[in-house]
Amino acid sequence: DVKVTQSSRYLVKRTGEKVFLECVQDMDHENMFWYRQDPGLGLRLIYFSYDVKMKEKGDIPEGYSVSREKKERFSLILESASTNQTSMYLCASSSTPGLAGGSLADTQYFGPGTRLTVL
Amino acid sequence: TQLLEQSPQFLSIQEGENLTVYCNSSSVFSSLQWYRQEPGEGPVLLVTVVTGGEVKKLKRLTFQFGDARKDSSLHITAAQPGDTGLYLCAGLSNSGYALNFGKGTSLLVTP
Repeated sequence: DVKVTQSSRYLVKRTGEKVFLECVQDMDHENMFWYRQDPGLGLRLIYFSYDVKMKEKGDIPEGYSVSREKKERFSLILESASTNQTSMYLCASSSTPGLAGGSLADTQYFGPGTRLTVL
Repeated sequence: TQLLEQSPQFLSIQEGENLTVYCNSSSVFSSLQWYRQEPGEGPVLLVTVVTGGEVKKLKRLTFQFGDARKDSSLHITAAQPGDTGLYLCAGLSNSGYALNFGKGTSLLVTP
């Protein structure tokens, strides 16, 4: 059974703290993603990685950084947490589309999410 | 960013009713996906539609991809409380890796 796990389901941090959110997948997927989900705004892409040590900015990268030192692990870092980063954070992974489906979206497998509250 | 607009935003119906959820864009997509997210969980893929005009059925759920590949619909027949959740449509972004998601339709089916 495929699995994406996130280090915490709930997290409470103070403004200015450095926050690490960890995501691990056991499917040997090349691609990993970090989204945040807010009411009325939907899922918004923060960063993604298509290979080890490779990263690309998504739609809302400001205030965040990422690290991918191993294929199975993708970390999201909030350098100095702020109250507007209170949100649900979702990690996902997918394999690279095959030769015949280069323009087709592959299935993204999501973790259960981390609900982060910054006070 | 290729925007996907979903409607309605909220839907509250009685068990046994039928409903349709829409996903529209001004952009052409090579494929569109539908995910369902239950409270406290991450989204789970329901279906991928690829060909314009394609219709796919998953038990009581029917998915259609528009002929021009700019829109899609999800129709649920005889809704059940277990159908409750957030339904999200998604299309491949210009990056070729990430997905653009619609804001979702929150469905509540009461007994």
